[in-house]
Amino acid sequence: QQQVKQSPQSLIVQKGGISIINCAYENTAFDYFPWYQQFPGKGPALLIAIRPDVSEKKEGRFTISFNKSAKQFSLHIMDSQPGDSATYFCAASYSGNTPLVFGKGTRLSVIA
Amino acid sequence: DAMVIQNPRYQVTQFGKPVTLSCSQTLNHNVMYWYQQKSSQAPKLLFHYYDKDFNNEADTPDNFQSRRPNTSFCFLDIRSPGLGDAAMYLCATSRAGQVREQYFGPGTRLTVT
Repeated sequence: QQQVKQSPQSLIVQKGGISIINCAYENTAFDYFPWYQQFPGKGPALLIAIRPDVSEKKEGRFTISFNKSAKQFSLHIMDSQPGDSATYFCAASYSGNTPLVFGKGTRLSVIA
Repeated sequence: DAMVIQNPRYQVTQFGKPVTLSCSQTLNHNVMYWYQQKSSQAPKLLFHYYDKDFNNEADTPDNFQSRRPNTSFCFLDIRSPGLGDAAMYLCATSRAGQVREQYFGPGTRLTVT
C-alpha cells in the first residue's frame, strides 16, 4: 500500500527525443506526487510536482501527466538533452507530516 | 543563497569506530530528515525531526542516532559502523505545512574500512 512502483529501471534516449518514466501507486490517500532529479554525487533536487486535482502540469520541457483512476503518473521530458542524463525518482505522500515514499529510480542516459 | 549544507562531503571510518555526520540549513525550515542512499537505490528515510519532535522509522537500526540541538543543525551519529553502513547519507529539510517539498543537501559519502 505504501509502495510507489517506478519503471523503467534505466532508459536510453536519443538527443531531441522524448523521455517517459512511469510510476504507479496503490494508496489512494496519496495527494502529492513530486519528481526528483539526481546527478551523480549530488543530492536529489525537486524537479516538478503535481496534486491529484489536475491531470497535467508542465514546466518548460518537463511535464507530469496524472491519471487518478489508474493510479498512475508519469514524467515526460521533451527534447531530451545530454544534460538531462541523471537518475529520476518519483515519490508520493499524503497530508500531514508524513514522509515521502520514493520509487526505486530510473537512470536516464541521453545520447547525442 | 539559502541552502542545506552537509559536512564532511566524504568520510572514511573504521569498522566499529563511531562517526558523526552533520547537516546545517539556512532555510529556517522546521523539519529535517536523514536518509540513507545506497548505490542505485532510492533514498531510505532513517528519521526526521518536526521541530524538536523526533520521529524514528520502524526499521532504522539502533546503531543510528540523531541530535538536533537547534533549528539550523542536525547530526547523524553511527555508534558502531558496519561494512553495510557504507552509503551516501542525505539530509533534507522542509517547511512545516509543506513537508512534502523537501530540499536535499549534497550528501556525505561514508566509507567503512
